[in-house]
Amino acid sequence: ETGVTQSPTHLIKTRGQQVTLRCSSQSGHNTVSWYQQALGQGPQFIFQYYREEENGRGNFPPRFSGLQFPNYSSELNVNALELDDSALYLCASSFTSGATDTQYFGPGTRLTVL
Amino acid sequence: AQTVTQSQPEMSVQEAETVTLSCTYDTSESDYYLFWYKQPPSRQMILVIRQEAYKQQNATENRFSVNFQKAAKSFSLKISDSQLGDAAMYFCAYRRRRSRLTFGEGTQLTVNP
Repeated sequence: ETGVTQSPTHLIKTRGQQVTLRCSSQSGHNTVSWYQQALGQGPQFIFQYYREEENGRGNFPPRFSGLQFPNYSSELNVNALELDDSALYLCASSFTSGATDTQYFGPGTRLTVL
Repeated sequence: AQTVTQSQPEMSVQEAETVTLSCTYDTSESDYYLFWYKQPPSRQMILVIRQEAYKQQNATENRFSVNFQKAAKSFSLKISDSQLGDAAMYFCAYRRRRSRLTFGEGTQLTVNP
C-alpha cells in the first residue's frame, strides 16, 4: 500500500461527455502527477502539480485539465471525451525537496469511453 | 527528448531461478534517476528499485538488484530466486530531478512453477 488513493475505480462514459477523476496523495506529499496508460503500453505523462500550480505538462490537449487542492489532493478533468481516451489513469504523489522525490502510485481509474 | 527502451516484450523464468530484464535510455543530462516499477494484474504500479545516476554503486533491494552502466546508458534488473509473486509487467523509467517519469514499453515476466 502506497497511501495514494484514487476514485472511482472504474468509469464508463460516452463520447462527448466530461469526466472528473480524483486522487488523494500520500500524507506529507506536496506534488502530484497524472499519467495515462493505454492497454499494452507504458504510462504517458499528462501533467504535474506542485503546491497547487501546474509545473509540467505532457503532449496532451487542453481538454485535459487538473487541479491540486490545499490538502494536496487532486483532480483530473477531461472534456469532450473521445474513444481514444479509454485508458487506465494513474495518479502519483511525491514529496519535492532537495532530495530524490520518488513517485508513488495509486491503484488507478479505468476509464472506458463508448 | 529522453527515451527509454525495453527490448524484451516478454520473458519467462523458472521458479527459484534468476532472470535479467534489460533497459536502455537516452539522455543528455548528467543528473537523473532510474527506476524499475512492477505492475501486476491488479494494475497497481509498485516501485521495485531506484538508482541515482551520480552513485556508482548498483542499488540492491533484497532479491532485486540492478546493473547500472552510465556510459552505456544501460540499466538492467536482476531478479534472484524468482517467486510466483514476481510475475508481472515490469517497467523501466527515467526521471530528471522534480520532473516527469518517462517509461519504457514494459517487459511481461512469467514465472513458471
